[in-house]
Amino acid sequence: AQSVTQPDIHITVSEGASLELRCNYSYGATPYLFWYVQSPGQGLQLLLKYFSGDTLVQGIKGFEAEFKRSQSSFNLRKPSVHWSDAAEYFCAVGERSSYKLIFGSGTRLLVRP
Amino acid sequence: EAGVVQSPRYKIIEKKQPVAFWCNPISGHNTLYWYLQNLGQGPELLIRYENEEAVDDSQLPKDRFSAERLKGVDSTLKIQPAELGDSAVYLCASSLSDPDTQYFGPGTRLTVL
Repeated sequence: AQSVTQPDIHITVSEGASLELRCNYSYGATPYLFWYVQSPGQGLQLLLKYFSGDTLVQGIKGFEAEFKRSQSSFNLRKPSVHWSDAAEYFCAVGERSSYKLIFGSGTRLLVRP
Repeated sequence: EAGVVQSPRYKIIEKKQPVAFWCNPISGHNTLYWYLQNLGQGPELLIRYENEEAVDDSQLPKDRFSAERLKGVDSTLKIQPAELGDSAVYLCASSLSDPDTQYFGPGTRLTVL
């Protein structure tokens, strides 16, 4: 069965430091891959997506992610974190046959001033 | 352009009472999704509509949950009767078609006492 693992429940970084959030997936073929961010009391906002082509994907707010087929990973990165980036981040896999999104359990990012 | 609209934002009810959530998708989006998000978890799909047809309701607990999208635009999700375990956030999302980016509403936070 398809699944998404976000191994870090919480991550704390200092403002201005770099960030990497991990995402591993289990899927039989090349999936669609997404990163969403959720601020408290808000819905999910799409940061970036991978459907095909260049495996390094640029998103909004200075985020990027790299699809690595050999590692079944789609890690999210940002070179310099801002206090406003504090939120919960969800990785998701989209099934190509049913278009169903399967989400990971999320990583909560805390930013130290 | 207006985003996905959901109401109410918050709902508190006693167990065994009925409750309904309403969603208005982004104009022109044919595909509408209802997700359940438990505390500390990622969203899980309940039902997916293509226009007015429910094309995937395999995860919808049909003994107490029902949904409709009569004119292929807005949608209602109902629970009757509600149980304590139904306390969660109910998210609505829409997309132009599948596969495509899903845009999420702010959600309805349900508390069952």
